Amino acid sequence: ETGVTQTPRHLVMGMTNKKSLKCEQHLGHNAMYWYKQSAKKPLELMFVYNFKEQTENNSVPSRFSPECPNSSHLFLHLHTLQPEDSALYLCASSQVRASNEKLFFGSGTQLSVL
Amino acid sequence: GQQVMQIPQYQHVQEGEDFTTYCNSSTTLSNIQWYKQRPGGHPVFLIQLVKSGEVKKQKRLTFQFGEAKKNSSLHITATQTTDVGTYFCAGDYGGATNKLIFGTGTLLAVQP
Repeated sequence: ETGVTQTPRHLVMGMTNKKSLKCEQHLGHNAMYWYKQSAKKPLELMFVYNFKEQTENNSVPSRFSPECPNSSHLFLHLHTLQPEDSALYLCASSQVRASNEKLFFGSGTQLSVL
Repeated sequence: GQQVMQIPQYQHVQEGEDFTTYCNSSTTLSNIQWYKQRPGGHPVFLIQLVKSGEVKKQKRLTFQFGEAKKNSSLHITATQTTDVGTYFCAGDYGGATNKLIFGTGTLLAVQP
C-alpha cells in the first residue's frame, strides 16, 4: 500500500462513453500527477497539479480533462476516447511539485477503449 | 528535447546470475531516480542519486551515477525470483526545466 489509491482498477469503455478515473492520496502531499503508461514506451507525464493548481499540461488531447478539487483528490475525466488511448493510467503524488521529489504511484487504472 | 535511453530492453537470467541495466542521457542530469515495477504492479521508488560518481547500495542492488552525471547503472548481484520486474531510471534535468524524464525500462526475467 503506497498511500495512493486509484479506482477503478480496470475500465472498458466504448468510444462514445464518458467515464472518470479517481485518485486519492493519504500522504499529505501537495502535488499530484497523471501519467500514461503504454507498452514499450516511457512513462508519459500528462498533467501536474501543485497545491490544487494545474501547473502542467503536456499537450494532452482535450478528450482528457483533469480535475483537482483539493490536494488529496485528483480526477481524470474521459470522453470520446480513441482505441490508441488504451493504456495504464497512473496517478502519483509528491510532497511538492519539483523534479527532484520522489513519486508515490497508485496501482493504476488499466483502460481499454473499444 | 531531453531523452533518457535505457538498455537493455529485456534481460533473461538464471537465478543466481548478476544483472545490470544502464541509463544514458545526452545532457547533464541534476540527479537520477530509479524505480521498480513488478508485473501487474505500479512503479515503486528505489533510490535517488545526486552527486557525481555516487555509489549507493541496497542489499544486493548497487546504484552508480556517472562522473559526468549523464549516465547511471543498476547492478543486481545473485538475482532472485523476487527481483523480477521492470526497472526504470528517471532523469531529473532540474533547473528551469523542472522535468523528470523516465527511461523505457528494462524488463528482468529470472528463471528459477
